[in-house]
Amino acid sequence: EAGVAQSPRYKIIEKRQSVAFWCNPISGHATLYWYQQILGQGPKLLIQFQNNGVVDDSQLPKDRFSAERLKGVDSTLKIQPAKLEDSAVYLCASSFGRALSTDTQYFGPGTRLTVL
Amino acid sequence: QKEVEQDPGPLSVPEGAIVSLNCTYSNSAFQYFMWYRQYSRKGPELLMYTYSSGNKEDGRFTAQVDKSSKYISLFIRDSQPSDSATYLCAMNSGNTPLVFGKGTRLSVIA
Repeated sequence: EAGVAQSPRYKIIEKRQSVAFWCNPISGHATLYWYQQILGQGPKLLIQFQNNGVVDDSQLPKDRFSAERLKGVDSTLKIQPAKLEDSAVYLCASSFGRALSTDTQYFGPGTRLTVL
Repeated sequence: QKEVEQDPGPLSVPEGAIVSLNCTYSNSAFQYFMWYRQYSRKGPELLMYTYSSGNKEDGRFTAQVDKSSKYISLFIRDSQPSDSATYLCAMNSGNTPLVFGKGTRLSVIA
């Protein structure tokens, strides 16, 4: 079974530029998550989708971050404009069923963003 | 006070040692407790999952939850160099986002 795919793996941009990350979840997984992991911290949920609907985006900085899940499969996360404090690893995860606590979340390798 | 506290380490042990990793939390509503392992440049992977209080064992790994003390532990017996990674505790109260600890970096020296 293929895992969660993310691209690019690394990205370096100047502050105030825009950037986009892509995620392809495990086939058949209804729920998709985007997390931000700052160096030395645990992952923090940014947004959670069930199919193509948003379940939770309470911690997404909506003035600069946006995300969509096209046709309930792939997802993109965008930052525009980027700030220095956005430097982090952006992790995508997916789970099979509804957004239940007991569903195992499978993580992708992440995209490491550096904002200069 | 942060919702989940975890000593970031680093923790360095000799091969074969018993490792104890711990987290404390403040939210008494938390009922689901997980331990994730994260290798360098990789995403986290679920290692152990426990509901409410009690112990759970899986091979060399044992997870303990003490809800009265708001304290969870992960024990690794006969530690191996391949166990070298960052261990993250995570928890939530139901259909709420997982709250992760900062992670403890473990090195097992051969």
